Amino acid sequence: EVQLVESGGGLVQPGGSLRLSCAASGFTFNNYAMKWVRQAPGKGLEWVSSITSRGTHKYYADSMKGRFTISRDNAKNSLYLEMSSLSAEDTAFYYCARDAGGTNSLDFCDYWGLGTRVTVSS
Amino acid sequence: DIQMTQSPSSLSASIGDRVTITCRASENIYKYLSWYQQKPGEAPKLLIYAASTLQTGVPSRFSGSGSGTDFTLTITSLQPEDFATYSCQQSYFAPITFGGGTRVESK
Repeated sequence: EVQLVESGGGLVQPGGSLRLSCAASGFTFNNYAMKWVRQAPGKGLEWVSSITSRGTHKYYADSMKGRFTISRDNAKNSLYLEMSSLSAEDTAFYYCARDAGGTNSLDFCDYWGLGTRVTVSS
Repeated sequence: DIQMTQSPSSLSASIGDRVTITCRASENIYKYLSWYQQKPGEAPKLLIYAASTLQTGVPSRFSGSGSGTDFTLTITSLQPEDFATYSCQQSYFAPITFGGGTRVESK
């Protein structure tokens, strides 16, 4: 059974940093591109970042460029999102999601985690 | 970025009702359209991709149609477990973008 379990969320002050993790199981992790998607309170889903199956290529939404860093450790079946210079606008549930296309990204997601909540507030 | 506009933003329906949700893209996205279901406390679930292809395991009462800029998600006979929020997503243009969601509530 495919499972994605996010962790690392919490309360952080404006300007602070946070590292999110996503533990994957039930599939061959290094065969899949992965994504982070977030959802602010009362808002729709918003793509944050993507990474190819080997971690060679990384992509970011414009508002996250320079502040967020996506990475993965295929030996540990884990995906990460380092977030810095956080502001209230970054308050959201952050989801880890598997790209349905495997190594050849199809850019839609067939499995998602439950998410981890990030709250940016003083 | 491509704007994805869903309508309605919410609707009330009864068990057995036929429910239709619309998603409109600001530009032609061909059939690069997916639908997701979200329930509180649960992971989002892929229902349909390529506008009309049902994801494995999704009940056949769900169907998708459309191409270009106008798309529809239909639930032919609403079941208790279908009360949820539904979102569309385009994957033709970068960055991928989502609709604002449609909440299906019990009447």
